[in-house]
Amino acid sequence: LAKTTQPISMDSYEGQEVNITCSHNNIATNDYITWYQQFPSQGPRFIIQGYKTKVTNEVASLFIPADRKSSTLSLPRVSLSDTAVYYCLVGNNAGNMLTFGGGTRLMVKP
Amino acid sequence: DGGITQSPKYLFRKEGQNVTLSCEQNLNHDAMYWYRQDPGQGLRLIYYSQIVNDFQKGDIAEGYSVSREKKESFPLTVTSAQKNPTAFYLCASGQRNTMGYTFGSGTRLTVV
Repeated sequence: LAKTTQPISMDSYEGQEVNITCSHNNIATNDYITWYQQFPSQGPRFIIQGYKTKVTNEVASLFIPADRKSSTLSLPRVSLSDTAVYYCLVGNNAGNMLTFGGGTRLMVKP
Repeated sequence: DGGITQSPKYLFRKEGQNVTLSCEQNLNHDAMYWYRQDPGQGLRLIYYSQIVNDFQKGDIAEGYSVSREKKESFPLTVTSAQKNPTAFYLCASGQRNTMGYTFGSGTRLTVV
């Protein structure tokens, strides 16, 4: 099983770019990397998913090096509403056991 | 709209009683999952199912039971054997070759 390791917490200020890195040394060939955002008392919300290189959508970018043993979620110009817990998840969507890491608690300050 | 529905949102039960949490999805996903989340903590996997009539234990299955009689439904029963059942419970579903996993909005169970 591909376990993930993330920083426990990060602080930032409004308008800054935030990069959160996740380590997943045992990632399997058919695994994707997916990032989720969770607010208190809500279910995690999908942010972005990638397999290799770089993926960008309207809210974030995901950078994955060639060895795929880590990934970096990049949030451009964060706002106070981006204060949340961010989880990195590695899996193939095929029903295998999914284990979450502890997540990164991002605090955005004014 | 397709999605996952968890009910109820809040649930109160007396200690020693079994309670069943509902999870229904209309996404036609094969795989479904149950997680437990304690305050300030991450998600821990209780049970998961890859296909109808089949399920496997996750990291913390003791004191819980599930069934998967229909593709769209994956109810979780919290039994009296679960020593500390008060928590936030999340259900999710996934499908090969689709983008990510979909989570429900959760059920907060309080045992008094």
